Amino acid sequence: GNSVTQMEGPVTLSEEAFLTINCTYTATGYPSLFWYVQYPGEGLQLLLKATKADDKGSNKGFEATYRKETTSFHLEKGSVQVSDSAVYFCALLLLTTSGTYKYIFGTGTRLKVLA
Amino acid sequence: SAVISQKPSRDICQRGTSLTIQCQVDSQVTMMFWYRQQPGQSLTLIATANQGSEATYESGFVIDKFPISRPNLTFSTLTVSNMSPEDSSIYLCSARGGPDGPQHFGDGTRLSIL
Repeated sequence: GNSVTQMEGPVTLSEEAFLTINCTYTATGYPSLFWYVQYPGEGLQLLLKATKADDKGSNKGFEATYRKETTSFHLEKGSVQVSDSAVYFCALLLLTTSGTYKYIFGTGTRLKVLA
Repeated sequence: SAVISQKPSRDICQRGTSLTIQCQVDSQVTMMFWYRQQPGQSLTLIATANQGSEATYESGFVIDKFPISRPNLTFSTLTVSNMSPEDSSIYLCSARGGPDGPQHFGDGTRLSIL
């Protein structure tokens, strides 16, 4: 079936460290891929997206490239800040057999950045 | 992007009671959804709120337990009925402008049942 697998957290880094959060997916067809971020006490916010193979989504220093050959959409940032501490969700959007679009979310990866 | 306001933001309720959560979107949206997020877990879709008709529920969720209203294109409510401690969770309202667009979320309602 369709699914999203994220690396388990928590991920703890020092400020200015390099971040990678792995995300792989299983899906029929050609899904769009997203990263959402959830800050403490808030709902999810869209961080970036990619709608087709080899697209790179980027926002606020974060990047992720849609890799069809490895079915991956890993999130990276070159230098994290304390303010990046949050839970990050990978998600895919696909067209179901009933003709509707459906989101599937990963389990989330908690990032903690230490000063 | 749509701004979604949910209320209440949190509540502590007694077992056996019901609570209605309201969700207001600042623009007309095609699709509205209700999710549950249990501590440390991902989002589980409860139902799609359909404007002018009955909500579409996901497997494991029923209308008697989670009645949903959507009277117009900007507003929806979710009621958690006959609550038990297992219903303690964060309930998130979400909206999508188009069928395949990004999804926007409210800040959630943190519900604790004693």
